[in-house]
Amino acid sequence: EPEVTQTPSHQVTQMGQEVILRCVPISNHLYFYWYRQILGQKVEFLVSFYNNEISEKSEIFDDQFSVERPDGSNFTLKIRSTKLEDSAMYFCATEGQGLHEQYFGPGTRLTVT
Amino acid sequence: KQEVTQIPAALSVPEGENLVLNCSFTDSAIYNLQWFRQDPGKGLTSLLLIQSSQREQTSGRLNASLDKSSGRSTLYIAASQPGDSATYLCAARDDKIIFGKGTRLHILP
Repeated sequence: EPEVTQTPSHQVTQMGQEVILRCVPISNHLYFYWYRQILGQKVEFLVSFYNNEISEKSEIFDDQFSVERPDGSNFTLKIRSTKLEDSAMYFCATEGQGLHEQYFGPGTRLTVT
Repeated sequence: KQEVTQIPAALSVPEGENLVLNCSFTDSAIYNLQWFRQDPGKGLTSLLLIQSSQREQTSGRLNASLDKSSGRSTLYIAASQPGDSATYLCAARDDKIIFGKGTRLHILP
């Protein structure tokens, strides 16, 4: 069964550093999403992406964050200058045309020290 | 703005019992409602997805129901086992998925 993959599984970085989280979507999926879950809290929507542009973003997704599909396959989330409060699990999800079902990756645990 | 609430926040039941987890959502204009399982420090495992036109879905010992008009969904777990211990998340889908905080379930051996 096709699945969404994410790399790395765990990333440790120092405050102020840039990080890039990567997601490989299910083939032929067109809609992409990032969510995050701070430890002990609920899963929160960050951003949705379709046709090479952002469809919607939450108030969490400020200028420190960006998303892109650099090579037509990977879908990335970049955090420009990480803060301690960016420590969380980041989930990628992808969706096919007209199906309204999102498939989640296993997540990347980001630890900012 | 969609809000998803799950009650109770935590539940402990003896092994073998049947149990019901509750989820409510404020905006009935959803595409679907999905139940996930999350083990501590781990990712999201999709359990059941109910489309807005459906009333329930079943998978093994799990049964999920959806009542859009009242903004409610339930997850029924039959004959609970210690391996069912996890956090169960309810998520309502409109343009994006809105998650509840989850119910932390502990099955007592």
